[in-house]
Amino acid sequence: QQQVKQSPQSLIVQKGGISIINCAYENTAFDYFPWYQQFPGKGPALLIAIRPDVSEKKEGRFTISFNKSAKQFSLHIMDSQPGDSATYFCAAAPDSWGKLQFGAGTQVVVTP
Amino acid sequence: GAVVSQHPSRVICKSGTSVKIECRSLDFQATTMFWYRQFPKQSLMLMATSNEGSKATYEQGVEKDKFLINHASLTLSTLTVTSAHPEDSSFYICSATKGGTQYFGPGTRLLVL
Repeated sequence: QQQVKQSPQSLIVQKGGISIINCAYENTAFDYFPWYQQFPGKGPALLIAIRPDVSEKKEGRFTISFNKSAKQFSLHIMDSQPGDSATYFCAAAPDSWGKLQFGAGTQVVVTP
Repeated sequence: GAVVSQHPSRVICKSGTSVKIECRSLDFQATTMFWYRQFPKQSLMLMATSNEGSKATYEQGVEKDKFLINHASLTLSTLTVTSAHPEDSSFYICSATKGGTQYFGPGTRLLVL
């Protein structure tokens, strides 16, 4: 069964808009929550990661919000650009060296 | 950032043959590498954990005799798909961890005819 649930499955946003992707987990042993970006035919690339001791982390246009009590975390892409069109995966692991459990992925399309 | 390479990038083979995929960490040593499989429009599914100098650890449902993993050095892990069949056609991706960050290779597209 999927240990990390991700939604929506797909998302269309206009250039300059905000893309929001949500993930939820059950396993309280998870302590590391990365987001990956994947372009067609390529391997995933790390975007940003967070640990439960902080509620928010921002890197450029990408922000992770984390709600430990609800066991949910989300990725916000501000000022979305056509180059952001890709599939985004959330993941979780007991630590940053451990096995990652991936969400199902969200295909984001940014229209010009 | 760290770089992980894979070779070949794509391979087409006949059913029943074996295919070897290499995963290399180019600028760092990795005692542990991971192998994933990704079907079209789906997420990454962990197949196995490759440990340098010891046996790989396979995820539930992954046949260890079909997917042979060898981690012979600190920079190289290989995945051999033995007696490949069309249902093995997929995108195979490896990863290696450096400094607590998991870096992924570019993937290998396997097509079994």
